[in-house]
Amino acid sequence: DQQVKQNSPSLSVQEGRISILNCDYTNSMFDYFLWYKKYPAEGPTFLISISSIKDKNEDGRFTVFLNKSAKHLSLHIVPSQPGDSAVYFCAASDLYGGATNKLIFGTGTLLAVQP
Amino acid sequence: GAVVSQHPSWVICKSGTSVKIECRSLDFQATTMFWYRQFPKQSLMLMATSNEGSKATYEQGVEKDKFLINHASLTLSTLTVTSAHPEDSSFYICSARVSGQSNQPQHFGDGTRLSIL
Repeated sequence: DQQVKQNSPSLSVQEGRISILNCDYTNSMFDYFLWYKKYPAEGPTFLISISSIKDKNEDGRFTVFLNKSAKHLSLHIVPSQPGDSAVYFCAASDLYGGATNKLIFGTGTLLAVQP
Repeated sequence: GAVVSQHPSWVICKSGTSVKIECRSLDFQATTMFWYRQFPKQSLMLMATSNEGSKATYEQGVEKDKFLINHASLTLSTLTVTSAHPEDSSFYICSARVSGQSNQPQHFGDGTRLSIL
């Protein structure tokens, strides 16, 4: 059972435009969400996170939106740059209510930003 | 800050060999480290949670006798794949969290590509 889903395996965007990556989850116990960026043969790099008490968190070009009622979160990158091309994973955790703080990852979305 | 080093980055060995992978937190102490496995074009799957000074907690379906984890210090956890077979070939990644900061993100190593011939 895939508790965290990224239904778009890939996304192509023009440089300077907005990239929107989506993520859905099924477990209502999740209360902490993160986005990681990953290049081939490297480990994931943390980008941005959001707790369930918020619906938006912004850090520079990156903004994460959380819709708890829909169990949906999205990552907006604006403006997109060629260096943003990578695989993006969303991850979820029952950080505040759970005992283990395990991260459950989605399947990833490959973002390609065209110059 | 918060750098995690994983070694080796790539291993090729014969079937039946045991392989040890090291995960070090270079500039912080990590009470808890995590070991993940990633198959091509799939998600990172948590294998086990490594706790300093105690036994690791394994996820369902992960053989603890196959994947030995040792977390003997606050900066080092090791994963040993015992008697590795071709089906164990995968990308193994560790992560660590700064001690006492459970609300902070995990920091990942660069992974180890394991290929069993």
